[in-house]
Amino acid sequence: DTGVSQNPRHKITKRGQNVTFRCDPISEHNRLYWYRQTLGQGPEFLTYFQNEAQLEKSRLLSDRFSAERPKGSFSTLEIQRTEQGDSAMYLCASSSSNRLAGAYEQYFGPGTRLTVT
Amino acid sequence: AQSVAQPEDQVNVAEGNPLTVKCTYSVSGNPYLFWYVQYPNRGLQFLLKYITGDNLVKGSYGFEAEFNKSQTSFHLKKPSALVSDSALYFCAVRDMGSNTGKLIFGQGTTLQVKP
Repeated sequence: DTGVSQNPRHKITKRGQNVTFRCDPISEHNRLYWYRQTLGQGPEFLTYFQNEAQLEKSRLLSDRFSAERPKGSFSTLEIQRTEQGDSAMYLCASSSSNRLAGAYEQYFGPGTRLTVT
Repeated sequence: AQSVAQPEDQVNVAEGNPLTVKCTYSVSGNPYLFWYVQYPNRGLQFLLKYITGDNLVKGSYGFEAEFNKSQTSFHLKKPSALVSDSALYFCAVRDMGSNTGKLIFGQGTTLQVKP
């Protein structure tokens, strides 16, 4: 079990550019979550996948944001036409739906810190 | 609306002393409650959870938390603090209005343990 990994760890981009982040969940986890964390705040939910299906999106996820999880494995989060307000830490988490395997807690990756200049 | 509150931005404690980090919640129905810790430039690390059963739950690194339904609280405790416990702590509750398992987090409490 190598844990949840995210790439890149840091991204600096200019306003208006597109960026894409990747998350590799724990291999046997079928549930995957994206959260956004700004300085001094707790993480806020963005979107949820069960296997390859995107089942819920937050109102925080404007139409400039899109997420995918092809084949139910890794996931990508793309932000188009970035704005300075998008600067934040983007966290990915995964969990199992198997209650015997700890279905309730989520395991987080190290995050991708985005800075939009 | 469901929510979590951590009333203290920062808690200071001397090494070896007991520590408490407070959390209160507001949810409909029975809550699923969690504590996570975050070290600088790192993701969140799971400490413990309350789903059902004994009100006192034990977790990683000697931490425990007490679920109090009447006070709608889930305070994090440790009998003897270590300098290495200094970090940012988040309380979270599962959003019971969704079947996704998504979490609602408090704003976080910085724990500072001084030698």
